[in-house]
Amino acid sequence: NAGVTQTPKFQVLKTGQSMTLQCAQDMNHNSMYWYRQDPGMGLRLIYYSASEGTTDKGEVPNGYNVSRLNKREFSLRLESAAPSQTSVYFCASSFTASNQPQHFGDGTRLSIL
Amino acid sequence: AQTVTQSQPEMSVQEAETVTLSCTYDTSESDYYLFWYKQPPSRQMILVIRQEAYKQQNATENRFSVNFQKAAKSFSLKISDSQLGDAAMYFCAYRSVHAGNNRKLIWGLGTSLAVNP
Repeated sequence: NAGVTQTPKFQVLKTGQSMTLQCAQDMNHNSMYWYRQDPGMGLRLIYYSASEGTTDKGEVPNGYNVSRLNKREFSLRLESAAPSQTSVYFCASSFTASNQPQHFGDGTRLSIL
Repeated sequence: AQTVTQSQPEMSVQEAETVTLSCTYDTSESDYYLFWYKQPPSRQMILVIRQEAYKQQNATENRFSVNFQKAAKSFSLKISDSQLGDAAMYFCAYRSVHAGNNRKLIWGLGTSLAVNP
């Protein structure tokens, strides 16, 4: 029972490098989300996909792109990494209905030097 | 726009005692959902409890219960018989029922709970 799987768990990049964070869920959820978590800032939504084939910006989309590859997979890409993007990234998924909770992956700790 | 406020950045409790974490929110909507999530040092986000705004009865999950005061826009979490494993960051979250908001979760900044043996 995998739930939400994120890869990799840790990554160190140099400024300017590109990187794709992968996320897959096996719960047949319609909606998927990417968050970043920084100390004292809580969880901030980067992008989300309400359903397969759609993506929308969240609070902090600059510097990121996403792809909803199919119902299961939602990837986050950093085209040119910057030190300000050092963070812990979480992928989450849920059914569309409002009373359904989001299920989270274990997070990716990303450091950009 | 909706906001969620957790006014206690840090709390501590003695093992086996009871602690209450506060959460207030601001919304003009009458129907919505509220959640408490736990994030232990392992970093995993775990749903603790949820409350539907249209229900007057407070939600309960084992040692976890909420005090939902809709008029006051307050949603506190009570942890009874605290255990060492309850030590974690606790996040309060709000979710609209309206599709126009795409039902995104609005998060508080969290309360760090320490449990003292």
